[in-house]
Amino acid sequence: QKEVEQDPGPLSVPEGAIVSLNCTYSNSAFQYFMWYRQYSRKGPELLMYTYSSGNKEDGRFTAQVDKSSKYISLFIRDSQPSDSATYLCAMSSGSARQLTFGSGTQLTVLP
Amino acid sequence: DTAVSQTPKYLVTQMGNDKSIKCEQNLGHDTMYWYKQDSKKFLKIMFSYNNKELIINETVPNRFSPKSPDKAHLNLHINSLELGDSAVYFCASSRGGASGQPQHFGDGTRLSIL
Repeated sequence: QKEVEQDPGPLSVPEGAIVSLNCTYSNSAFQYFMWYRQYSRKGPELLMYTYSSGNKEDGRFTAQVDKSSKYISLFIRDSQPSDSATYLCAMSSGSARQLTFGSGTQLTVLP
Repeated sequence: DTAVSQTPKYLVTQMGNDKSIKCEQNLGHDTMYWYKQDSKKFLKIMFSYNNKELIINETVPNRFSPKSPDKAHLNLHINSLELGDSAVYFCASSRGGASGQPQHFGDGTRLSIL
């Protein structure tokens, strides 16, 4: 079993929909949680960064962390065709010097 | 003003050749990384350097050798290239050597072995 599980999709939604992307993890030591967006032929770009449990909002994006369930989510409101990309979750513990990535979810927002 | 830049962007070469990929970051970060991304988009850490010191060395064939001449540069040399080395290689950097720091990625080097 992988440390971080992420549904690879693909996920297609109409423009304006609310998108929910999720990751589950098994390592209870994870404390730092990130979401990256990767456009085709580009590197991953940091979208959201959160520490421990709770919510964080940035524009149309909301990141949620539920450490008790070992579950993190990224919500995209009013999705746009420009949001079409692969979304990768990543996380780290307080002692590890590296990030553990999910395998990414491919999202397409249809105009 | 590219923060993390890699060269070359594309590399097409024959099996058995030796090649190098270069990475530079202008973010003032102390830690740099090499990742391999396969066709299924899974990012696998290969190496990490903090202030020119190797701190992560995952199970990678010893045909791969990283070198960090200074904390702004991290290169990857690959000997005797094999078909299975075809992938996208990403360089990344982060602040300090502490855990939990977000990493900033370059746009990758697409390596194709013929």
